[in-house]
Amino acid sequence: SQTIHQWPATLVQPVGSPLSLECTVEGTSNPNLYWYRQAAGRGLQLLFYSVGIGQISSEVPQNLSASRPQDRQFILSSKKLLLSDSGFYLCAWSVPVEQFFGPGTRLTVL
Amino acid sequence: EDQVTQSPEALRLQEGESSSLNCSYTVSGLRGLFWYRQDPGKGPEFLFTLYSAGEEKEKERLKATLTKKESFLHITAPKPEDSATYLCAVPPSGGSNYKLTFGKGTLLTVNP
Repeated sequence: SQTIHQWPATLVQPVGSPLSLECTVEGTSNPNLYWYRQAAGRGLQLLFYSVGIGQISSEVPQNLSASRPQDRQFILSSKKLLLSDSGFYLCAWSVPVEQFFGPGTRLTVL
Repeated sequence: EDQVTQSPEALRLQEGESSSLNCSYTVSGLRGLFWYRQDPGKGPEFLFTLYSAGEEKEKERLKATLTKKESFLHITAPKPEDSATYLCAVPPSGGSNYKLTFGKGTLLTVNP
């Protein structure tokens, strides 16, 4: 069966610090991968999606970036965090359409 | 532009009090409708996919139905452990399969 991992589970970072969140999927090959952000009281916002290694599409212009160095690994990064980057970050995978979510990372930027 | 609207925003039930959540959508060609359950501090958990009007899916106390304009998630004799936010989503009507449009969810609270 397929499983998706995200780490860390929680993170507290100062403004201006870098960020790296990692997501890995097991039990499937060539999945589509997604990064979402869910702010308090708001819906799911798609940030990035990837259909293959090195292929990244950005949905929202911002100071975040994503990379897919391996088939089942997806990384969300930032060089300098802003207060507005706080939120709940979710990784998801799909083959082909239904999306399955990871446990999420709670990021607090102070 | 595809749109998904969920109602009510919040619903409070007594244990055993059955009810329904609504998800209305606007897409030119429906290619599926998904229901998720999300517990506080956790990622959404996939529940159902519905593909065509008239289709129904069941899981324990939950039954999802689909018409040409909306979907209902019926909760029969709910228990406190059914308390969660329920989300629905649709894939785009054309182009890529990748960008689901999510509703904002219904927060269900079941009191013992």
